Amino acid sequence: DVKVTQSSRYLVKRTGEKVFLECVQDMDHENMFWYRQDPGLGLRLIYFSYDVKMKEKGDIPEGYSVSREKKERFSLILESASTNQTSMYLCASSTALGLYDADTQYFGPGTRLTVL
Amino acid sequence: LAKTTQPISMDSYEGQEVNITCSHNNIATNDYITWYQQFPSQGPRFIIQGYKTKVTNEVASLFIPADRKSSTLSLPRVSLSDTAVYYCLVAANAGNNRKLIWGLGTSLAVNP
Repeated sequence: DVKVTQSSRYLVKRTGEKVFLECVQDMDHENMFWYRQDPGLGLRLIYFSYDVKMKEKGDIPEGYSVSREKKERFSLILESASTNQTSMYLCASSTALGLYDADTQYFGPGTRLTVL
Repeated sequence: LAKTTQPISMDSYEGQEVNITCSHNNIATNDYITWYQQFPSQGPRFIIQGYKTKVTNEVASLFIPADRKSSTLSLPRVSLSDTAVYYCLVAANAGNNRKLIWGLGTSLAVNP
């Protein structure tokens, strides 16, 4: 079974803090994704990566950065957390069928981040 | 810009068949349509994927008409454990690029 793990299920941070969300997948997938999920807005893509050290902006990259130093690990960084970044963050991975193909994405359990 | 549209919510009863339709204009010619299921406090989980006509697996069927401007997820004989949010996902043309377009999700409530 594919397993995608995220470093924390719940996280509480203060405005202005630097926040790291970690994601690890164990299936040797090339593609990895970071989404945020908010009520009424569905899943919105923040960043994705199709290879080590490669990254592409998604629909809402502002205020975020990412890092992929190893194939299995994809990190989301909030340089200076703000209250409007309070959300559920979901990581996913998939095989490299072609970056924009609607291939099967495997999701982690999510990290619920609260910024006070 | 392409978008997907699906009903916000649906109600059903145990044992009934449930059909959830997603409309998706401007879908990319060679791309698949994928449906996911999400339970509270969990990430979405793949249910089924198709390109055209009909696809069936052990949990659902997916019907896609010839024009591919919509797709219908069919859940046969639902049970209480099928209560979840269902999302459609397509890859769509956006100018010279393609992008992943998620529906906003359909919250299905299965009642006893």
